[in-house]
Amino acid sequence: DIQLTQSPSFLSASVGDRVTITCRASQGISSYLAWYQQKPGKAPKLLIYSASTLQSGVPSRFSGSGSGTEFTLTITNLQPEDFATYYCQQLNIYPPAFGQGTRLEIK
Amino acid sequence: EVQLLESGGGLVQPGGSLRLSCVASGFTFNNYAMNWVRQAPGKGLEWVSGITGSGGSTFYANSVKGRFTISRDNPKTTLYLQMNSLRAEDTAVYYCAKDPSVLNFRFDLWGRGTLVTVSS
Repeated sequence: DIQLTQSPSFLSASVGDRVTITCRASQGISSYLAWYQQKPGKAPKLLIYSASTLQSGVPSRFSGSGSGTEFTLTITNLQPEDFATYYCQQLNIYPPAFGQGTRLEIK
Repeated sequence: EVQLLESGGGLVQPGGSLRLSCVASGFTFNNYAMNWVRQAPGKGLEWVSGITGSGGSTFYANSVKGRFTISRDNPKTTLYLQMNSLRAEDTAVYYCAKDPSVLNFRFDLWGRGTLVTVSS
């Protein structure tokens, strides 16, 4: 099975900052990667798919890039509502798998 | 309104059974594959099972294969997860999640989840 490793696991930042989260796959997955945001007590929300395509309704301050084994999620101009946990997920090779998550907290 | 609403969670003893349901509304249910994804307390996300729109093909994580059965009733726009031989490690919030098309294991709509606790 494919393993996804996110870094960092924990990130502290301020409103207005730019942050980047990395997701590394144990083998190549082309661009079959999605990013989700989850707030405490809530269901995850799809942000980005196909590594860089923004899901409808997601603010443009979120962006994704990468292919193969290394991917990034970037959030520019952090807003208070962006403080949450973020997960990457690969959907190229069965079974689908998630990264362990990156918790983004307010500094 | 497009939404998914899970039910059926609760406390069950190890070795017991439980059936989860997920009622869909606001979209043409039979056009979309559906999945179950779970999250143990304080832990990350784990895909559990998926089913095609027609219900003709099903898929399972190794951790639940042989114990869990996914199914759907398209006229009732309802997804099910029959869980047998439950173990403590099955304790989690179970989410149903819609695939945006055929079963490609991307999840564009999630329910609020239902908590399953396996404990004596």
